[in-house]
Amino acid sequence: GAVVSQHPSRVICKSGTSVKIECRSLDFQATTMFWYRQFPKQSLMLMATSNEGSKATYEQGVEKDKFLINHASLTLSTLTVTSAHPEDSSFYICSARIGPGRGNSPLHFGNGTRLTVT
Amino acid sequence: SQKIEQNSEALNIQEGKTATLTCNYTNYSPAYLQWYRQDPGRGPVFLLLIRENEKEKRKERLKVTFDTTLKQSLFHITASQPADSATYLCAPRGGRRDDKIIFGKGTRLHILP
Repeated sequence: GAVVSQHPSRVICKSGTSVKIECRSLDFQATTMFWYRQFPKQSLMLMATSNEGSKATYEQGVEKDKFLINHASLTLSTLTVTSAHPEDSSFYICSARIGPGRGNSPLHFGNGTRLTVT
Repeated sequence: SQKIEQNSEALNIQEGKTATLTCNYTNYSPAYLQWYRQDPGRGPVFLLLIRENEKEKRKERLKVTFDTTLKQSLFHITASQPADSATYLCAPRGGRRDDKIIFGKGTRLHILP
């Protein structure tokens, strides 16, 4: 159980275009999903917390107008990288947590999206 | 600011031996500490959680300790196998519902056959 599906797994786009990444919880409902970015040999950096039916909460330094998050249902959150630039190339990973978010609830991660902006 | 340090970027261990990974944290008093495994090009997978009032937790060949005085957690894999080769991430968290999970950089473990 607790499967999180992320799509696409890889995407190459040209500078200036937008890319949408989907994150779905397949067998559970996720009121909260988290979006991370990971550069090579670096830790996962939390970008934003996505809440179903409300606005996402962005971490300091993350531009909300550039990284649009929509969490329209209990099983789907999307991250859109708008006007992508080469420096946005990274590994983007979503995660979700079962239940109301107690401190001991583990995160269930998707398999990530490798974004390359040329 | 909160800081998480995991020992060395890569750890080479002979198959069959015990691998021990270290996680140190500063400016932080987590109520829980989670360990995840991440394979190249994949998302992390949850392994174990230990609470601040627990000294040790075991699951099959895995053992985690949590020393709140030293501000350290140790992650052990006994009878290591080449399939255990991966990056292991330490993730402390506070006890409040809105507390975020912060990840360390991870330790890359190579089990040598």
